Amino acid sequence: AQSVDQPDAHVTLSEGASLELRCSYSYSAAPYLFWYVQYPGQSLQFLLKYITGDTVVKGTKGFEAEFRKSNSSFNLKKSPAHWSDSAKYFCALEGQGTGSKLSFGKGAKLTVSP
Amino acid sequence: VTLLEQNPRWRLVPRGQAVNLRCILKNSQYPWMSWYQQDLQKQLQWLFTLRSPGDKEVKSLPGADYLATRVTDTELRLQVANMSQGRTLYCTCSAGLGANTGQLYFGEGSKLTVL
Repeated sequence: AQSVDQPDAHVTLSEGASLELRCSYSYSAAPYLFWYVQYPGQSLQFLLKYITGDTVVKGTKGFEAEFRKSNSSFNLKKSPAHWSDSAKYFCALEGQGTGSKLSFGKGAKLTVSP
Repeated sequence: VTLLEQNPRWRLVPRGQAVNLRCILKNSQYPWMSWYQQDLQKQLQWLFTLRSPGDKEVKSLPGADYLATRVTDTELRLQVANMSQGRTLYCTCSAGLGANTGQLYFGEGSKLTVL
């Protein structure tokens, strides 16, 4: 079984601050981890992924995430945050050999005030 | 350029009626097509992944029954039936290269509301 938890449903911060969105996962083998973003009225867009190798991965729009096996986490970070980063962010896990079946967290709605 | 086109984008569904959704892939380089459902709280749940024309699968979940069909290399369909009254559901298709090959691309979703 595999699952993803995003404990913070809503995150609010001011423009210029540092943002960190938390993600933890449960999976018995090596996971493939992703972050996606969904702006209102738009489709899910890929931000970054961790497959193997360097535990800090950089993605689009200035985001990065760190994979920590020790505590099964894959937190998303960006500094500084911009008002245009306001959106809903989803952490996802793909198990080995499960193809296009991603398990998603419930998402975190980020609001960045100007 | 949008990789996946979904239609209809929104549909009011009379109670007891089924609705048929289409997802058209603009680049057959990403042959693994899938359906996800997303509730009002935007929780995403995988439904099906179909690779080859002629593939079909059915599934029943609380609140709706689903039948997915891979019609062609570039078209995936979803029939949603027996939706619970008053329910709103989003169905989103995706496309990818296959198992553990990286990111998925998603369509904009179809919003279904049962009268």
